[in-house]
Amino acid sequence: GAVVSQHPSWVICKSGTSVKIECRSLDFQATTMFWYRQFPKQSLMLMATSNEGSKATYEQGVEKDKFLINHASLTLSTLTVTSAHPEDSSFYICSARNQAGTGGTNVLTFGAGSRLTVL
Amino acid sequence: DAKTTQPPSMDCAEGRAANLPCNHSTISGNEYVYWYRQIHSQGPQYIIHGLKNNETNEMASLIITEDRKSSTLILPHATLRDTAVYYCIDIGGTSYGKLTFGQGTILTVHP
Repeated sequence: GAVVSQHPSWVICKSGTSVKIECRSLDFQATTMFWYRQFPKQSLMLMATSNEGSKATYEQGVEKDKFLINHASLTLSTLTVTSAHPEDSSFYICSARNQAGTGGTNVLTFGAGSRLTVL
Repeated sequence: DAKTTQPPSMDCAEGRAANLPCNHSTISGNEYVYWYRQIHSQGPQYIIHGLKNNETNEMASLIITEDRKSSTLILPHATLRDTAVYYCIDIGGTSYGKLTFGQGTILTVHP
């Protein structure tokens, strides 16, 4: 089946530094990937839609200059949290849709998530 | 905001059927019902989806009422590994994966 890999699975960084999270579709191509954020005991919140070869589309309230998204190939999207602060500590999850798959248009494969802790 | 409502939590005994309800009274004609689940500290996992007919796959069954305003996800023989948060999402076919998650139902399966 479709597999999405996220790396790193967890990261601890100092306040003010930048952190990059990678999301890869291992056995399928994805022109679109999605980035979510999840705080403890809360549901997933969509941050942005990552489009291969073009700019990402950000949800209302998400700072595009702080959360840089690059989707340079059909199998890789990256999320960079710039100048991270403790309030950015969260669980970041990506997802991708296998456009060649036989499932519905909203059948997504999610990565295992990346837990960011900013000290 | 999510357009579906689900009970915040449910319990089920291992080996018994788990029936998780979802209310989607504002669903429109071209919107499907999708179910995902999230096991603790992992990414969500797709379970099943349907439009108006009942559906079954290797993981679960989905029963949709005739008026499509509610549905029930059935895990026929729940195991401890089915303990998770279950999300019901109504979404149109043109949304192309842009899912809006509500609070879901925390299902706890007991030995």
